Amino acid sequence: QKEVEQNSGPLSVPEGAIASLNCTYSDRGSQSFFWYRQYSGKSPELIMSIYSNGDKEDGRFTAQLNKASQYVSLLIRDSQPSDSATYLCAAGERDSNYQLIWGAGTKLIIKP
Amino acid sequence: DVKVTQSSRYLVKRTGEKVFLECVQDMDHENMFWYRQDPGLGLRLIYFSYDVKMKEKGDIPEGYSVSREKKERFSLILESASTNQTSMYLCAIGGGYTFGSGTRLTVV
Repeated sequence: QKEVEQNSGPLSVPEGAIASLNCTYSDRGSQSFFWYRQYSGKSPELIMSIYSNGDKEDGRFTAQLNKASQYVSLLIRDSQPSDSATYLCAAGERDSNYQLIWGAGTKLIIKP
Repeated sequence: DVKVTQSSRYLVKRTGEKVFLECVQDMDHENMFWYRQDPGLGLRLIYFSYDVKMKEKGDIPEGYSVSREKKERFSLILESASTNQTSMYLCAIGGGYTFGSGTRLTVV
């Protein structure tokens, strides 16, 4: 059974601090990894994708991938109250055109 | 901007009714997906399609069917709605996995 696991949270972080979200996956054949943000009552939106080991930065967001440890993380620097949401991690065997295995999400709360 | 449109934001149906959920995309993308999302269970794949008139079962296809007669439209059909199908239904397209705004279906 292919699985993606995330701590459900909630993870509470003070405004301005770094929020660190983690995800592990079971399928070593996974090649593509995605982070989505989902506000309450809304649909998920893609914020980061990563395919290679190491770090990928986009503004305040950094995705980190370690295939040997089967571990993906998302760092949010200078956290803002507007970052409060549920963050979904997903893994796929190829690119996002195909099926993804989804984690259940981590609820992040940024405290002003 | 990519647009994925789901026909209804909120829907209330009676047990036993046949329910149609529509999803239309403007990106000419081959791959389309239907998910349901329930608290604590995450996103679960119901059906997906890689081409017109083509469909594949996902993890929880029971009680559902789909139709893809045109590339831009992927419909989810609840043959006989039941209360355990009360959920948020999300359509997505590949290539970045853009989601529609979702349909919150309540079956009473």
